[in-house]
Amino acid sequence: QTVVTQEPSFSVSPGGTVTLTCGLSSGSVSTSYYPSWYQQTPGQAPRTLIYSTKTRSSGVPDRFSGSILGNKAALTITGAQAEDECDYYCVLYMGSGIYVFGTGTKVTVL
Amino acid sequence: QVQLVESGGGVVQPGGSLRLSCAASGFTFSSTTMHWVRQTPGKGLEWVALMSHDGSNKYDADSVKGRFTISRDNSKNTLYLQMNSLGAEDTAVYYCATGVETAMVDWGQGTLVTVSS
Repeated sequence: QTVVTQEPSFSVSPGGTVTLTCGLSSGSVSTSYYPSWYQQTPGQAPRTLIYSTKTRSSGVPDRFSGSILGNKAALTITGAQAEDECDYYCVLYMGSGIYVFGTGTKVTVL
Repeated sequence: QVQLVESGGGVVQPGGSLRLSCAASGFTFSSTTMHWVRQTPGKGLEWVALMSHDGSNKYDADSVKGRFTISRDNSKNTLYLQMNSLGAEDTAVYYCATGVETAMVDWGQGTLVTVSS
């Protein structure tokens, strides 16, 4: 059973920078997994931030960026704002039409 | 603009069935891959299934394989999820989403399915 791992929680100061990661229980994440990132406020539908590793979805501010760092996918928030306080999920495409969500990271801005 | 409206959720007894619908507008539905994703109460997101634009390819998660069936009617711009043999573990908010490249891009607001006796 493939597990996509994320940090449970992260804190960042307003205006600060935070990097969230997305890894595999076994193996390395590469661009071949087409990592994507989603933001979700409690009670709301997810919002797509990044797809295909680093492509920003329409209307997403450029303070959000995606990359591969070492053996993981990464989402960096540069200049964090209060409204960035919510949950973040990554998704990896495993091939053969199968997708797996990460465990999610709760980001606190304080 | 893209609009996705899910419906069909409700309370169903264990072992029962339910069919969800997702009405799409604001884009060319017949050219777009579509996904179903669910979220159990207070928990994370889980990918459920996808169907290619013309219905020729469909895939689903192991957790629903053999119980859930994704389908679409391009003449009605509607995506469906037929759910059979429902159990408590299927209680969740179900979202439909458009597929672009290898990601989900636009999302509906979701419909709640509660499996309870």
